[in-house]
Amino acid sequence: QVQLVQSGAEVKKPGASVKVSCKASGYTFTSYDINWVRQATGQGLEWMGWMNPNSGNTGYAQKFQGRVTMTRNTSISTAYMELSSLRSEDTAVYYCARVRRLSVSLEPWGQGTLVTVSS
Amino acid sequence: SSELTQDPAVSVALGQTVRITCQGDSLRSYYASWYQQKPGQAPVLVIYGKNNRPSGIPDRFSGSSSGNTASLTITGAQAEDEADYYCNSRDSSGNLWVFGGGTKLTVL
Repeated sequence: QVQLVQSGAEVKKPGASVKVSCKASGYTFTSYDINWVRQATGQGLEWMGWMNPNSGNTGYAQKFQGRVTMTRNTSISTAYMELSSLRSEDTAVYYCARVRRLSVSLEPWGQGTLVTVSS
Repeated sequence: SSELTQDPAVSVALGQTVRITCQGDSLRSYYASWYQQKPGQAPVLVIYGKNNRPSGIPDRFSGSSSGNTASLTITGAQAEDEADYYCNSRDSSGNLWVFGGGTKLTVL
């Protein structure tokens, strides 16, 4: 079955960077875009950006421009999201999700990765 | 602030019908998708496109759209439908995506 499995929880200090991985299985990794979405505790979903695993092309929400980088390693069917210059407001659960073809929708989602930014 | 606007909270009596709405200019050009999220879980897609349900989603969930408003309707709400619901679509530029602020559904 199609599945996205993310890396484990991280604790980082302000100013540091974090890199979250998302390993895909059950389908051809390069055939579907991957998006990243985050959710602070008790808050709503926030779209961060997309990546085409085939071309490596990306698009980021304006809020994260200059701080986020989305990459991939096609040999191991894994997508990555790196966020730099972390601040306390970046404490959140980060999700990867696969884009459903010919629609603006995401299915399935990874299980989420909690990133805590604290001094 | 989000480019897609949702009511923060809606309630429905068990077995009754409830409509959750999502408003935004981009919805005049693009369909919305809808997600259900229960506490401690990742979101689950329930409606996408004009009115399509992924495999495993009950047919009591349906979607519609008119002008700048997309709607998710639950016909005969069940206790297990109590959750947060989010819409998403493209932003006003069409190049990026955006989520609505979410609606907390309470089943009474």
